[in-house]
Amino acid sequence: DIVMTQGVLPNPVPSGESASITCRSSKSLVYKDGKTYLNWFLQRPGQSPQLLTYWMSTRASGVSDRFSGSGSGTYFTLKISRVRAEDAGVYYCQQVREYPLTFGSGTKLEIK
Amino acid sequence: QVKLLQSGAALVKPGDSVKMSCKASGYTFTDYIIHWVKQSHGKSLEWIGYINPYSGGTNYNEKFKSKATLTVDKSSSTAYMEFSRLTSEDSAIYYCARGALDYWGQGVMVTVSS
Repeated sequence: DIVMTQGVLPNPVPSGESASITCRSSKSLVYKDGKTYLNWFLQRPGQSPQLLTYWMSTRASGVSDRFSGSGSGTYFTLKISRVRAEDAGVYYCQQVREYPLTFGSGTKLEIK
Repeated sequence: QVKLLQSGAALVKPGDSVKMSCKASGYTFTDYIIHWVKQSHGKSLEWIGYINPYSGGTNYNEKFKSKATLTVDKSSSTAYMEFSRLTSEDSAIYYCARGALDYWGQGVMVTVSS
């Protein structure tokens, strides 16, 4: 199985600042079609996960352009610009390159 | 709009089974697979498997192959997951999610306790 490893954020992050969350995969997530099969989710307290980006850098419908995904085949970053109180929660990366789908352990973002 | 409405919380005894539902609305049910995901208390997410509502075909995480059974009822646009031989390790929130994981149900909290 592909192992997803997430970094830790130096919390709390002051409102209005930027935050970058990192994720590493044990295998390249680039498929033969050239796409990188990496999702980012935000789970707010007491809520279901919400898809933020897919194919590493494509924002899901309705997601603010303050969220941007980038990376290579095995190292990924989700940058959140001008963080707001509503961005607080746990962020998960997930690989959808192959089954079984696997998630990172989550990175908690707290806002000051 | 797209909605996935899951059944209510369940309190079950060790060794029993539980069957939960996920009713889809706002889109053509057979056009998207349905995933099931487990979240143990305060922990990360585990993919259990998916079912294709059109064909009934399934794909399970090896870890849950002997534990979970996925089915659908096309007539009611509802997906089901049955979890068997429950232990305390199965106490968790279980989510269903549509194909690209772009829409999720609200989750079902399952508590296994005698």
